[in-house]
Order: sequence, then structure tokens, then C-alpha cells
Amino acid sequence: GENVEQHPSTLSVQEGDSAVIKCTYSDSASNYFPWYKQELGKRPQLIIDIRSNVGEKKDQRIAVTLNKTAKHFSLHITETQPEDSAVYFCAATDYNQGGKLIFGQGTELSVKP
Amino acid sequence: EAGVAQSPRYKIIEKRQSVAFWCNPISGHATLYWYQQILGQGPKLLIQFQNNGVVDDSQLPKDRFSAERLKGVDSTLKIQPAKLEDSAVYLCASSLVGSHPLNEQFFGPGTRLTVL
Repeated sequence: GENVEQHPSTLSVQEGDSAVIKCTYSDSASNYFPWYKQELGKRPQLIIDIRSNVGEKKDQRIAVTLNKTAKHFSLHITETQPEDSAVYFCAATDYNQGGKLIFGQGTELSVKP
Repeated sequence: EAGVAQSPRYKIIEKRQSVAFWCNPISGHATLYWYQQILGQGPKLLIQFQNNGVVDDSQLPKDRFSAERLKGVDSTLKIQPAKLEDSAVYLCASSLVGSHPLNEQFFGPGTRLTVL
């Protein structure tokens, strides 16, 4: 089955700097890769996603890149702000096979003012 | 629109006791998921329903966990008997149909279970 590895587990940056979180997946059939943000004590919320037929997607300060050959995808946050502080989870799934999301272990991002 | 509702929000029980969680998905969402999130880890899917049928329960510990979605709307997840390692947040999520990119999974606030 699918396995998703996420790095780093913790990341601390200064406000205004960029942050990059990386994930690798094992199942080449996976074709949908969402990223969730979870603030302390709150529910996970989708912030951006990418499909396997696209190499990059951008939404304001966040972007996701996908390398299907290497089976890895990354989340990029530019001009970080203190409110970006949260735990970020990547996930992977083959949505043609029911769409079961396999999550990475999470990255705790801390943005220091 | 109203979000996914879950209750209770917190539950503390002793090991070997039983517990039940309730989830009400977003109106019109055919697919419902139960995830277990252990502290410091990503959510792990326990069971996925499509209407009132089970799509995937491969990671559900069936000797102690059970779930149902009788009328294709609300769902309950039960643990009997509970073990210490069941301490986690139980998240319910719903989507229109499966995890198609056009059908985002919306999560509920979760139930934090502590087993003593």
C-alpha cells in the first residue's frame, strides 16, 4: 500500500522568510496530493492540492510542486507570517480507487516575529 | 453552509470501558470517513462509507472497533473494550463523492479520547 514520508518534522523560520516542506510517496498510482493545515486544537483544513498531470500550482503565498518521476512533492510558503504557524500535513491518494488519503507525519511550522 | 458536526468533543474513560462517537456530515455529502489521529502523527483512515455501504475498513481493528451509517447520513463509531493505545483524536470527514480532486474532504472538530 501507499506510504508517505514527510520532512522535516519541525521547522522554525523568521517572519518574511520562506518555508519548504517535502514529502515522498511510494505508490506510483497515486494521482492526487492535498496539503492540510492544522492549527492547535483545530480541525485539518485543505490549503492547496495538486493532481498528477500538473507539475506546479500556486495560490498567493503558497505553492506546491510535484515530481512524479522521483515520487516527491513539496509545499512552499513565501513571505511567512506568524499566522502561518501550524502543523502541515501532506497526503496522497489514487482517487480512482476510492480516494483513501494516506497522510504524512506532519511538520510543525513556527514563524517567529 | 454548516460544517461536519461531531460529539462529544472530549471523552475520558478507563480501559476496558466502551465509548461511542457521533458524526453528522455536511448535508448532501455521500462519503463519510472516520480517522484516528494519535498525538504527533497524521490522521489514519479507519473506515470509509459511501452512503450506507463500507468502501474501506482495512485499518479498522474489528475486534474492538465498529462503525455504522444506517441511513446514509449520520454515523457512529464505537470502541469496546477500549485500550490505552486508543487514546487519540477521532476525526470525522465528509465529501461529495469519494476523494476526487473536485470533492474536498471537510473535517469535523474531532473527539479527543483519553483512556486511563
